[in-house]
Amino acid sequence: GQQLNQSPQSMFIQEGEDVSMNCTSSSIFNTWLWYKQDPGEGPVLLIALYKAGELTSNGRLTAQFGITRKDSFLNISASIPSDVGIYFCAGQGVRDTNAGKSTFGDGTTLTVKP
Amino acid sequence: DAGVTQSPTHLIKTRGQQVTLRCSPKSGHDTVSWYQQALGQGPQFIFQYYEEEERQRGNFPDRFSGHQFPNYSSELNVNALLLGDSALYLCASSLQGVSAGELFFGEGSRLTVL
Repeated sequence: GQQLNQSPQSMFIQEGEDVSMNCTSSSIFNTWLWYKQDPGEGPVLLIALYKAGELTSNGRLTAQFGITRKDSFLNISASIPSDVGIYFCAGQGVRDTNAGKSTFGDGTTLTVKP
Repeated sequence: DAGVTQSPTHLIKTRGQQVTLRCSPKSGHDTVSWYQQALGQGPQFIFQYYEEEERQRGNFPDRFSGHQFPNYSSELNVNALLLGDSALYLCASSLQGVSAGELFFGEGSRLTVL
């Protein structure tokens, strides 16, 4: 089945630093999505990408849909303490788009030191 | 605007028992998906319901079944519980169409099987 490799697994950074994480797949995806999950809560959608090469921003967050359609990147600029959490990438394959099925990576855990 | 609500938030069962988890979608959403999230992993797709029918299913055995009601709310049933079924069960709602992959998650139901 489809698998997503998300890296790095964890990051420890200083407040104010920029963060970069990525996700790769052996399969082509039509949609890439990035979510953030805080302890005790469900994932919250940050950014959705629908077109190869697309670059989309949401405040200090920027994500890109890779040209090959097999990868995606998320950057966070000028990190702040509330950025702490687990970031998940998710993809939807060609047959999954209408059904809404998403394949998730195993997450990048971000720790921000004040 | 009510978000996705799930109940119960926590429950403990023993092996062989059956469990029913409930979900009310975000106001205006017509589609409900269920995901299983094991500790330290990303959510895994179980199945999705739209128009009271199961539209797509992940790699889960028939012990996992569901239902969607006319008001779009949904139930997840798991029979003959195994220790390995211990996980956070997430309900996500969405709308059919271009943004079908944009999932809005509830806080989850944490199931412990002893």
